[in-house]
Amino acid sequence: GQQLNQSPQSMFIQEGEDVSMNCTSSSIFNTWLWYKQEPGEGPVLLIALYKAGELTSNGRLTAQFGITRKDSFLNISASIPSDVGIYFCAGHRGSSNTGKLIFGQGTTLQVKP
Amino acid sequence: GAGVSQTPSNKVTEKGKYVELRCDPISGHTALYWYRQSLGQGPEFLIYFQGTGAADDSGLPNDRFFAVRPEGSVSTLKIQRTERGDSAVYLCASNLRGGTDTQYFGPGTRLTVL
Repeated sequence: GQQLNQSPQSMFIQEGEDVSMNCTSSSIFNTWLWYKQEPGEGPVLLIALYKAGELTSNGRLTAQFGITRKDSFLNISASIPSDVGIYFCAGHRGSSNTGKLIFGQGTTLQVKP
Repeated sequence: GAGVSQTPSNKVTEKGKYVELRCDPISGHTALYWYRQSLGQGPEFLIYFQGTGAADDSGLPNDRFFAVRPEGSVSTLKIQRTERGDSAVYLCASNLRGGTDTQYFGPGTRLTVL
């Protein structure tokens, strides 16, 4: 099925470092979302972006909705051990008839204390 | 709790058997979604319910997969004649009205087909 292209696939960083990951698509999305998933759990929403060019923060997390509507990035500043998990981008086309999300393949983040 | 719940948490079955996976959405949420997540991949959309009706079933891979939501609350995903390739985590999500409302995910059911 269709998925967004997310990179990097995995990251292993030192506690305190900043992290950046991004997501691209060949087609336009009207909403971009970033989720975090921990083992044995479902994805949990971190940040939602609704407007091209929008830059939104949630604590140490910052995400941007690309101007072309075909990409988004997520930054995590001053990483801590509890940031460990898999981060997914997801796009929504905004049709009123469906709420289905298209997900990226995920970025696995490991943080070394 | 008040979140989305899914049962069973794990299901092991043999090839060719029939399975049912259950989802209890957040109370009052009219929209319900099923996704399938294979190992190392992101969730893939299967079907979306608005109330009792399937508003979008474009993600169901074939006619062995079927889902119902008869009273507009609990939903059951049914898989007939299971195949080894059906092994995955099946995630359910719900939101208040559909559209771009935040989707809240359950913990998933891990299905293993031997």
